[in-house]
Amino acid sequence: GAGVSQSPRYKVAKRGQDVALRCDPISGHVSLFWYQQALGQGPEFLTYFQNEAQLDKSGLPSDRFFAERPEGSVSTLKIQRTQQEDSAVYLCASSPSLGGGYNEQFFGPGTRLTVL
Amino acid sequence: AQSVTQLGSHVSVSEGALVLLRCNYSSSVPPYLFWYVQYPNQGLQLLLKYTSAATLVKGINGFEAEFKKSETSFHLTKPSAHMSDAAEYFCAVSHSGAGSYQLTFGKGTKLSVIP
Repeated sequence: GAGVSQSPRYKVAKRGQDVALRCDPISGHVSLFWYQQALGQGPEFLTYFQNEAQLDKSGLPSDRFFAERPEGSVSTLKIQRTQQEDSAVYLCASSPSLGGGYNEQFFGPGTRLTVL
Repeated sequence: AQSVTQLGSHVSVSEGALVLLRCNYSSSVPPYLFWYVQYPNQGLQLLLKYTSAATLVKGINGFEAEFKKSETSFHLTKPSAHMSDAAEYFCAVSHSGAGSYQLTFGKGTKLSVIP
């Protein structure tokens, strides 16, 4: 079956540009997460959606980062006025369940963002 | 606060040798622990998870991990390394509760397998 997909896979932006990264979770998955993975580091949590509700955005590094999931399926992570420190791989993950920290998260391939 | 420490950013083993990747965690509540593998230009794939049912957990591709509460460890092992095991491995911790249950990852260990 289809897994989590992300687009674009690679994005190059000039400093100051706005970017939008798309995530298509596995169909029917209730929970959706965004993570940021800097070079040589483990992924770090950005934000969490349960259906269309954004329940946790504590990991967003600044108010330039914004995420939405308006219909409870596809999600978009938007970064305004990109900075060089935003260069990273952005990973999306989905999970079929509502609660419980023991549930597997299914990860997409990521979008590699490079800000020049 | 939860945290994960992976000892050794890079581990090299010979093909057929034992694989041991170390993970120590810090959690104020009983943890759920995970090992994920990441191949180049791919997303993370779950190898195995500990959810308190059994302390020795078996996963895919011959990997297993043992939860040791007294040592706050969850080391990943495989008896015999295969070339296809070369990848980056991440240990992660989560905990249940209302709201978000995001994963907190270690920095990863890159495994090289020498033929």
